[in-house]
Amino acid sequence: DTGVSQDPRHKITKRGQNVTFRCDPISEHNRLYWYRQTLGQGPEFLTYFQNEAQLEKSRLLSDRFSAERPKGSFSTLEIQRTEQGDSAMYLCASSTRQGGYGYTFGSGTRLTVV
Amino acid sequence: AQRVTQPEKLLSVFKGAPVELKCNYSYSGSPELFWYVQYSRQRLQLLLRHISRESIKGFTADLNKGETSFHLKKPFAQEEDSAMYYCALSGLNRDDKIIFGKGTRLHILP
Repeated sequence: DTGVSQDPRHKITKRGQNVTFRCDPISEHNRLYWYRQTLGQGPEFLTYFQNEAQLEKSRLLSDRFSAERPKGSFSTLEIQRTEQGDSAMYLCASSTRQGGYGYTFGSGTRLTVV
Repeated sequence: AQRVTQPEKLLSVFKGAPVELKCNYSYSGSPELFWYVQYSRQRLQLLLRHISRESIKGFTADLNKGETSFHLKKPFAQEEDSAMYYCALSGLNRDDKIIFGKGTRLHILP
C-alpha cells in the first residue's frame, strides 16, 4: 500500500461537460474525505465517508457535485455540467476513525474547466 | 464558528534565523490543532499535531488557549524548510472534520 492514490492527476474539460475523479485510500482507513483547494486558499472541506456511508456534505457543495464510496473502498467524485468556477485542485484524504491523528492526503486531481 | 487564521501569506527568513509562523483559531470548545506542510511538487503532509507534543524537523508548536493561538516555531531556519504551511483544527469529537487556514508560504533566504 503506497498511500492515497488519486486519478487522474490532471483533467482539462470544456464547460458543461461531466467529470469524475477517483480516490483509493489507504486500505485500513475507513474514513475518506474530499477537499477542494483553489489558488491562495487552504483546503476546503467538501464531504466525507465512513466506510460506505456519506456522513457529511458541505453546504458549499452544489447539487452538481456527487460522491460515492461503494463497498467502503475507493471513492468517486463527480461534477456535472462543469463551470469555470469548478477549476481547482481536488484532494482526497483518508484516516482511521481516530481522526485526531490527522489525515493522509493524496496528490490531488487538478481540474481546469475551459 | 470554527475558523483558522494565518495572518501572513508570505514569510521570508534568512537561513539560520528563527522562524515563527502565526496561527490563531476560533472554536467553541477544545480543539485538536495541527500543522500541515506542502513542499514544492509534493502532497500535503502532516508536520505535527498538538496532542503528540512532538518536534518534527526541529519545529515545535505550543497551544495557547488564552490567546487561542498555535504558532509554529523553529530556532534556526534551513533552506529545505521553504514550503507552504497550513494550520488546521478539528474538534475532539472523532466525527469532526479538519478545517484549514489559508496557509503561509515560508521562503528561506540564503
